[in-house]
Amino acid sequence: QQQVKQSPQSLIVQKGGISIINCAYENTAFDYFPWYQQFPGKGPALLIAIRPDVSEKKEGRFTISFNKSAKQFSLHIMDSQPGDSATYFCAASGPGGYNKLIFGAGTRLAVHP
Amino acid sequence: EAGVAQSPRYKIIEKRQSVAFWCNPISGHATLYWYQQILGQGPKLLIQFQNNGVVDDSQLPKDRFSAERLKGVDSTLKIQPAKLEDSAVYLCASSLTGEAFFGQGTRLTVV
Repeated sequence: QQQVKQSPQSLIVQKGGISIINCAYENTAFDYFPWYQQFPGKGPALLIAIRPDVSEKKEGRFTISFNKSAKQFSLHIMDSQPGDSATYFCAASGPGGYNKLIFGAGTRLAVHP
Repeated sequence: EAGVAQSPRYKIIEKRQSVAFWCNPISGHATLYWYQQILGQGPKLLIQFQNNGVVDDSQLPKDRFSAERLKGVDSTLKIQPAKLEDSAVYLCASSLTGEAFFGQGTRLTVV
């Protein structure tokens, strides 16, 4: 019940295309859903996050779509650029766990010029 | 604002040796996390501190791993004795209101 399942494992997108990464969770107590971006040799960096009271959040080219009834959320990267090539992790946390983050397995994104 | 500082960046040790990692969180952040990230996987929480106290160490292999956070600021994570399967990146993160900020990590190789 503590798992966060992420797909796909890897993704190749052409420059200017849309990258879509999906995550699913089981624990309905989760109330915070961040996405992290990680470059090789670096720690994960927060990209964008959402709480279940909204169905979508957009920041620049990055959008989170959230479906509470399906217990799924996704990251959309519009106009993907080679500089977006990185590993993306979804995560979830909830009350009572002092915001312990449960991470998905990650998606390695490659954006080709 | 300074980020989360970790040292060393890299460490190579032989199995059965001991090793220690250090973390200095962002100033004022009460919550500190240690995560283990095995190559190709997502980070896995080892231990979480709230100020000086441990709030979650359910996935910490307590027979070999230990961690402390003195005075609610810096933290050290120790492995003794190390096993081959401990080869991973050890990430420290800190948080004030739930948003976790990560350091660059320490890459440990056990040979």
